[in-house]
Amino acid sequence: EVQLVQSGAEVKKPGESLKISCKGSGYSFTSYWIGWVRQMPGKGLEWMGIIYPGDSDTRYSPSFQGQVTISADKSISTAYLQWSSLKASDTAMYYCARTYYDSTGLLDYWGQGTLVTVSS
Amino acid sequence: IQLTQSPSSLSASVGDRVTITCRASQGISSYLAWYQQKPGKAPKLLIYAASTLQSGVPSRFSGSGSGTDFTLTISSLQPEDFATYYCQHQNTFGQGTKLEIK
Repeated sequence: EVQLVQSGAEVKKPGESLKISCKGSGYSFTSYWIGWVRQMPGKGLEWMGIIYPGDSDTRYSPSFQGQVTISADKSISTAYLQWSSLKASDTAMYYCARTYYDSTGLLDYWGQGTLVTVSS
Repeated sequence: IQLTQSPSSLSASVGDRVTITCRASQGISSYLAWYQQKPGKAPKLLIYAASTLQSGVPSRFSGSGSGTDFTLTISSLQPEDFATYYCQHQNTFGQGTKLEIK
């Protein structure tokens, strides 16, 4: 069974750093892309970027380029999303999902989400 | 590419037939997916390649379209179908359609 399990909720202050994780199991983690999707409170879905854990090839949405870093450790089947200096506007639910870097880019299996709250 | 869904919200009753539309700002062939999201839950893939039902998704869900105009149809609404629906192409999502109980 394909599963993506994300790290738990975080409460941080503006300016702090953060790294959240997404651990895959039940499939070949290095053979599929992992994507990150943001959902701000009461809002829709936003595609942030993707990584191919096999070689760490990474693509970012222009909206998120330079704002976050996506990485992966294939030895432990885990992808990461990190911030060096959080802002209140980073408060959101973040989902990871297995995806395809192709004509559709569909996301077929999703993690349960990690809620990030940034508040002073 | 931009994806525009209509309507943004919709009220319907159990048993109704419902159609949601997604329009792309330029042609995307059949490269469109649909997702269902219930409150507090992660999105779930329903349909990909515009009309292919993901494994395990009930047959009352169907998708059609190509080029710039796509539809998601639920043939007979069930109580568990009340949710928000999103279309998606590559790195772009539609703004969502919230389906509520009338």
